[in-house]
Order: sequence, then C-alpha cells, then structure tokens
Amino acid sequence: GAVVSQHPSRVICKSGTSVKIECRSLDFQATTMFWYRQFPKKSLMLMATSNEGSKATYEQGVEKDKFLINHASLTLSTLTVTSAHPEDSSFYICSARDPGNSPLHFGNGTRLTVT
Amino acid sequence: LAKTTQPISMDSYEGQEVNITCSHNNIATNDYITWYQQFPSQGPRFIIQGYKTKVTNEVASLFIPADRKSSTLSLPRVSLSDTAVYYCLVVGGQTGANNLFFGTGTRLTVIP
Repeated sequence: GAVVSQHPSRVICKSGTSVKIECRSLDFQATTMFWYRQFPKKSLMLMATSNEGSKATYEQGVEKDKFLINHASLTLSTLTVTSAHPEDSSFYICSARDPGNSPLHFGNGTRLTVT
Repeated sequence: LAKTTQPISMDSYEGQEVNITCSHNNIATNDYITWYQQFPSQGPRFIIQGYKTKVTNEVASLFIPADRKSSTLSLPRVSLSDTAVYYCLVVGGQTGANNLFFGTGTRLTVIP
C-alpha cells in the first residue's frame, strides 16, 4: 500500500539555525502533500499544502517565510524551519495521497526541539 | 467545510466493543469519511475509509447512515494496545483532497 516516509524522526537544533524536514511518497506520485503541526495532547493543525512545481498554500497564521516549503519532484516535499526559536519546538507531520479516492497517508512525524 | 465533532474521550474495558461516533453535518457529495489512529509521537495511521452504508476490514467496521451526516467507527474486542487517539477526517473525492482539518479526536483508554 501507499507509504509516506518522513526524515528525520527527531532533531535538536540551536536557536537561530534552520532545520529541513523531508517527506517522501515511496510508491506513488504525489502532486500535493500536506504539512501539519501538533502540540502535546492537541490535534493536528494544517500548516500548508505543498504543490509540486508551484508555490505552497499556507493556512492563516502560518508564516511562509518562517516555514519554507519546496516540492521539487512528485515524490518529495521539504519543510524548512528557518531561524528556529524554542517556540517552534513541536511535532511536524507530513501527508500525501495516492490519486483517486485512496486515503490520506501520513509520515511518522518529526520531533523538533529548539534549544 | 465539513467540520467534524467527536467525543473528547472514552474509556472501555478490555474485550469490549467500542463505538466512536463522529458528526459531519456539512459533508459534501464527493467526500469520503476516513478514520485514523494515533499513538504518542507517531503519525496518524489509517484504519478505515467509507462513503456510505457499512465497510469492514480486519481491524474495524465503519457504519455510515443514509444521510452521511455522521459515522461510527466500531472496534471489536479492544485490547490495551488500542489505547490511542482516534480521528475522523472528511476528505474530498477525486477532485482533490480538500477538507483536511482535523477535529479534536477521541482519546480512547482501554482499562484492564
């Protein structure tokens, strides 16, 4: 079945540095991928929709210059948290969907800790 | 948008059947209903998807009434390892994966 792979699973970085998270669709092509953020004991919050070959669509309140999204191929989307601050510490999850009526599949998430 | 509403939490004893209902009053004609299970520090895992009536797989059943304004996830004979958060998600059909906003989810606790 469709599988979405996310890397790294956890990362610790210092304030002011940037961190890149990768999301890959392993056995299907995804023209669209989705990035979520989740705080402890809270639900997933949609941050942005990543579109292959064009600009990402960001949800209200999400800073596009802070969270850079690149979707350069049909199997890879990346989320870069720029100039990270401790408040950016969170669990980031990507998802993608095989075309048609197949369900949305999720990566295993990336735990970001900014010190 | 087809906003979803679920109970915040549920408790169940091991071996019992658990039914979790989700309301989605504004569901559109092309929308599908999908349920996910999430453990701490993991991404949501697909459980089951349906459009109408009843769908069953090896882990769960999904009941959808004719008006499709709600759906019920049924977990037969739960075990301790089923303790998790369960989300229903209404997703657009072939035209696009719109409506990707998660509700609160239902935190299921299975008690020995």
